[in-house]
Amino acid sequence: DIVMTQSPLSLSVTPGEPASISCRSSQSLLHSNGKNYLDWYLQKPGQSPQLLIYSGSNRASGVPDRFSGSGSGTDFTLKISRVEAEDVGVYYCMQGLETSFGPGTKVDIK
Amino acid sequence: QVQLVQSGAEVKKPGSSVKVSCEASGGTFSSYAISWARLAPGQGLEYMGGIIPILGKTYYAQKFQGRVTIIADESTSTGYMELSGLKSDDTAVYYCARTFWTHYSGYYYYGMDVWGQGTTVTVSS
Repeated sequence: DIVMTQSPLSLSVTPGEPASISCRSSQSLLHSNGKNYLDWYLQKPGQSPQLLIYSGSNRASGVPDRFSGSGSGTDFTLKISRVEAEDVGVYYCMQGLETSFGPGTKVDIK
Repeated sequence: QVQLVQSGAEVKKPGSSVKVSCEASGGTFSSYAISWARLAPGQGLEYMGGIIPILGKTYYAQKFQGRVTIIADESTSTGYMELSGLKSDDTAVYYCARTFWTHYSGYYYYGMDVWGQGTTVTVSS
């Protein structure tokens, strides 16, 4: 089984400051078709999850450009260039080779 | 713009089964897959499985194999997830999600871009 880890598990950020979350997988998520099967989701309090980034670095429709994804293989990063109050919630990475979510990173505002 | 509308909250006894529906409103499943995930109190998101309706091909997470059944009715653009042998730790909010998929030496899911509103399932004696 592919094991997903995220760090940190909790993050407190000052509005306007950048934030970064790391996601690592126990096996490469880079398929021979050239696609990285790694997505990022945000679940805001009381809401359904929403897709932020798919295939490692592609921003989903309607997602602000302050969100960016990078990485390949086993190491991925989600970056928020300037955190806003509406960005609070739990961020999950998800691998699509055997489909499972990481443990989640809870982000709140200082 | 397609929306996924799920069935209402359920209260079930331990050992029973629950069936949650997910209807594509304002559109169809088209060629997408439908995934199911849950969020239990104090826990993280947990993937349960999915189905590619046009192929009838299902995938179940190992933890739920033998206990979950996922089907889809293309004529009504409705997906269903049935979980049997309910236990108290199955108490959770269950979500469906429209999912992209690829077939390249295997079937792979990614990009769950539309989610249902969630269905609360409470298991209690």
